[in-house]
Amino acid sequence: DTGVSQDPRHKITKRGQNVTFRCDPISEHNRLYWYRQTLGQGPEFLTYFQNEAQLEKSRLLSDRFSAERPKGSFSTLEIQRTEQGDSAMYLCASSAPTPGEQETQYFGPGTRLLVL
Amino acid sequence: AQKVTQAQTEISVVEKEDVTLDCVYETRDTTYYLFWYKQPPSGELVFLIRRNSFDEQNEISGRYSWNFQKSTSSFNFTITASQVVDSAVYFCALSEGGATNKLIFGTGTLLAVQP
Repeated sequence: DTGVSQDPRHKITKRGQNVTFRCDPISEHNRLYWYRQTLGQGPEFLTYFQNEAQLEKSRLLSDRFSAERPKGSFSTLEIQRTEQGDSAMYLCASSAPTPGEQETQYFGPGTRLLVL
Repeated sequence: AQKVTQAQTEISVVEKEDVTLDCVYETRDTTYYLFWYKQPPSGELVFLIRRNSFDEQNEISGRYSWNFQKSTSSFNFTITASQVVDSAVYFCALSEGGATNKLIFGTGTLLAVQP
């Protein structure tokens, strides 16, 4: 099993540009999460998919952010008209439901975004 | 509201010392789950442990041990005989389950183990 992968690992962009990140979850994991982590802070929840359905979005996810998981496998997170405040590590996690138990989320290596 | 507090921002120890990382949580739910993750310099969060609110039994895994006390809303993590490879940021997290199971993280504790 190859774990959660994310691409790219690093992205530098200029303010106002659009960026898109990709996450490939662990195979057979039907739940996928996006988090954002700024320097010196813990990750903050952005959004959650179960299969292809986006079931929850945080208030942190402004209108400039959109996430998709079209076939219930990989997911993309797009940021339009990037701002310097978007600079952060974007983490993806996946999990599989465990009957009668809370599942464990497994994280990818993250995409580090720097907006100049 | 749910909240996780890790009051220790940074801890520095010398190799082979024992070290305890503190975690205090707030939740109104009776059913919840607590987690510890390790984030080495590479950036990837590595899962260490998950406990549910009904299981207060302490757990030991090699040099790692966890002390869960509902009376004080704490879920502390001890590393025995620390090693340089233990150097990382450690995060405590809370989930109330439900439909989303999203994690609420603390701000993390940076552990530096000196040789």
